[in-house]
Amino acid sequence: AQTVTQSQPEMSVQEAETVTLSCTYDTSESDYYLFWYKQPPSRQMILVIRQEAYKQQNATENRFSVNFQKAAKSFSLKISDSQLGDAAMYFCAYDRGGSQGNLIFGKGTKLSVKP
Amino acid sequence: ETGVTQTPRHLVMGMTNKKSLKCEQHLGHNAMYWYKQSAKKPLELMFVYSLEERVENNSVPSRFSPECPNSSHLFLHLHTLQPEDSALYLCASSQGRMQGRTEAFFGQGTRLTVV
Repeated sequence: AQTVTQSQPEMSVQEAETVTLSCTYDTSESDYYLFWYKQPPSRQMILVIRQEAYKQQNATENRFSVNFQKAAKSFSLKISDSQLGDAAMYFCAYDRGGSQGNLIFGKGTKLSVKP
Repeated sequence: ETGVTQTPRHLVMGMTNKKSLKCEQHLGHNAMYWYKQSAKKPLELMFVYSLEERVENNSVPSRFSPECPNSSHLFLHLHTLQPEDSALYLCASSQGRMQGRTEAFFGQGTRLTVV
């Protein structure tokens, strides 16, 4: 069965600094999708970044980038120039395939940003 | 605003009550999902509907009954719930893998408390 592991329950970063959130996953599939979602206190889950497993190039979205290591089954999120608004729960998710998107989530990492 | 609206935002119900959660998406997606988010647990996928047909039911107790009357609306009917069913219930929609995009867009959730 596919699993997603986030080994850091909580992380803290100084404003304007860089932080990296870890995620590992387990799958026997070769084609899949990986995501990072952000959930602020408002509870709205917001997509941060998306990576297709067949693409070797790491995805980037403005201050957010990933380090995708397919062989190691690792998918970390780097947040550069951290802002107070980045404080939230961050969830790593794996799309286990099928005709529709069926996401499996990790337990999440709570990120605090210090002014 | 992500185009997925859930009502109510908060619900308190007794164990003998019957209530329904509603989800509506305005994104033209063809797949809709119910997730359960409990404290200190990963998000759990409950049900998946694709083109109004249920394609997945993750061993959810029968006291949870989903309904998808059309591709824009999804309901979760609740009856004789237990206190351990108290959680945040999230609805999501996606375009589906057939269209090459699998990321899910989430509503703000319904905070359910069973007393």
